[in-house]
This record gives sequence, C-alpha cells and structure tokens, in this order.
Amino acid sequence: EDQVTQSPEALRLQEGESSSLNCSYTVSGLRGLFWYRQDPGKGPEFLFTLYSAGEEKEKERLKATLTKKESFLHITAPKPEDSATYLCAVPPMNYGGSQGNLIFGKGTKLSVKP
Amino acid sequence: DSGVTQTPKHLITATGQRVTLRCSPRSGDLSVYWYQQSLDQGLQFLIQYYNGEERAKGNILERFSAQQFPDLHSELNLSSLELGDSALYFCASSVDPGGRKIGNTIYFGEGSWLTVV
Repeated sequence: EDQVTQSPEALRLQEGESSSLNCSYTVSGLRGLFWYRQDPGKGPEFLFTLYSAGEEKEKERLKATLTKKESFLHITAPKPEDSATYLCAVPPMNYGGSQGNLIFGKGTKLSVKP
Repeated sequence: DSGVTQTPKHLITATGQRVTLRCSPRSGDLSVYWYQQSLDQGLQFLIQYYNGEERAKGNILERFSAQQFPDLHSELNLSSLELGDSALYFCASSVDPGGRKIGNTIYFGEGSWLTVV
C-alpha cells in the first residue's frame, strides 16, 4: 500500500537550534516528492520537489534531500517565523497522470521559540 | 496570496443537509483539485477537473460530487452530510494536469471550514 509517514509529529526548537524532519514513503516508481509548509488555518504552500535519490534543494534556511526510501527537511538556525506544519507528499503508483493526486503525510508541527 | 479563491470560508450546517463549496482558480490555470483535511485522516485528494472534464479521482465519497464550469470555476457539492464530514476543504489549481514527469506546482486556496452539527 502506498504510504507516507512523517516524524516526529511535533518538534520544538529554540531559535538557532538546527534539526531535521523525516518523511519516509512506500511507493513504487517514485515520480517526485513534494514538501509543503502549512500555517494554521491556511492552505499548504509549495516548498520543493525532488525527483531522484541524491537530489538536494535549498531555500533560505531549509534544505530538502531525497534517498530511495525517505526524504529529510533540514532546518538550519531556525527562526520563530519558520514555525508551521511541514507536509510531504508523493504521487501514488496509480496517480493517473494527475499531479494533484498526492498522498500526504500527516505532517510535522514545528515550533521555534525565540 | 496564492490567487486561488474559495467561498465560503466558514460554514455550519446540520446532518443530512447539502452544501456547495466554490472555488475560483488562479488566472490561467485550467486544472482544479479538491482536497479534504481532517484531524484524523490528514490531507486527502478528492478529485481533479481539467478544462471542464473530470481528470482524476481520489478518495471521494459517492455523496460528494464536483464540477468545473466554462469559466473554469469549480464547485464541490456535499450531500447527506454526516458529522464525520466536518473538515477543512481545500481547492488548488495548476496550469496543466500533469504528465509522466510532475513539474508544475499546484497552488492551494485558504480553504472552507465545514462544521456539521
């Protein structure tokens, strides 16, 4: 069964304390892995797409990496404004050509305290 | 602001009733996607329309239906509502439907909060 699991469910960091979020997946023939940021009461906001093992992408204090079984979202020297829920998602094996047909993990809720 | 507009933002209704959620995609986007987000299930893909036609179906209940109109706005109809249908419903849009390589991002609206009492 296609599945996406994120850990930890919640993470509390002090400002400047670097850490990593994990997303593991069980999908055959990965066509891409997406990271989104979601603020409370808002829709998810696209961060990154990774296509193949070994690929890395960076945006400000965030860096996403991909292996054959999992992806990591590394947060370097986080600030309070990085507080949000981070979701990862992958297309299922039978995604039918729809790039919106995604399986989402339940997310990691990140809190960064000043 | 993603450019995707959803109405209403909040809706409270009784069990057994029917509601319609509305979505206007970003200018120029032909694809519209609907999602349901609940505390226990997380974010789930429901259905996609591309240029007026159904393109892909996810975990959408038979009591739910959607359509996309010639002006590209979309509506999600939820009928015979149950307490478990209480959730945040998102619409998203993108330029094209996808393909063998997924490249274009999809843009989410701010959602419609549905509470069934």
